[in-house]
Amino acid sequence: GNSVTQMEGPVTLSEEAFLTINCTYTATGYPSLFWYVQYPGEGLQLLLKATKADDKGSNKGFEATYRKETTSFHLEKGSVQVSDSAVYFCALRGVMTGGFKTIFGAGTRLFVKA
Amino acid sequence: GAVVSQHPSRVICKSGTSVKIECRSLDFQATTMFWYRQFPKQSLMLMATSNEGSKATYEQGVEKDKFLINHASLTLSTLTVTSAHPEDSSFYICSARSAEAGGNNEQFFGPGTRLTVL
Repeated sequence: GNSVTQMEGPVTLSEEAFLTINCTYTATGYPSLFWYVQYPGEGLQLLLKATKADDKGSNKGFEATYRKETTSFHLEKGSVQVSDSAVYFCALRGVMTGGFKTIFGAGTRLFVKA
Repeated sequence: GAVVSQHPSRVICKSGTSVKIECRSLDFQATTMFWYRQFPKQSLMLMATSNEGSKATYEQGVEKDKFLINHASLTLSTLTVTSAHPEDSSFYICSARSAEAGGNNEQFFGPGTRLTVL
């Protein structure tokens, strides 16, 4: 079936450190891939997305590349800030998920220390 | 960008009462709305998909008589938790898919409603 697996957290980093959150997926067909961010007590915000293989999504210094050969969509940021502390969800969506339902990973909590 | 609102943002109710949560697309029409439930420190679990003017499609294991969904217009969907119990306490999030022709499959999420049942 369709699923998303992302690295377990929490991830704790010092400010200005490099961030990688791994995400791999299983899907039939060609889904669109997403990263969402959830700040404490809030709903989800779209961080970035990629709709086809080799596309790179980027936003606010974060980026992720749609790798079909490794079925991955790892999230990276070169220098994290305290304000990046949040939960990050990798997700996929497409016709194969039936009516464009979104399949979410378990989420990875990021703590950034000053 | 497209905005989805939810009301109320927080609600506390007594066990046995019913609670209605509204989800509105503020600046676009939504053919489809989705309702999710999120337990503390866990991911979002899809509860149901609702299309305007038709019955909602519930995911396996979700009681349709417990969680009533109405999608009466292209900008409003409601989730009613009937006879709520403490185990229904959770964070409920809706999302809406644009009805625009050629829409890019984007969905927009509401800010969530935290339900606490005493």
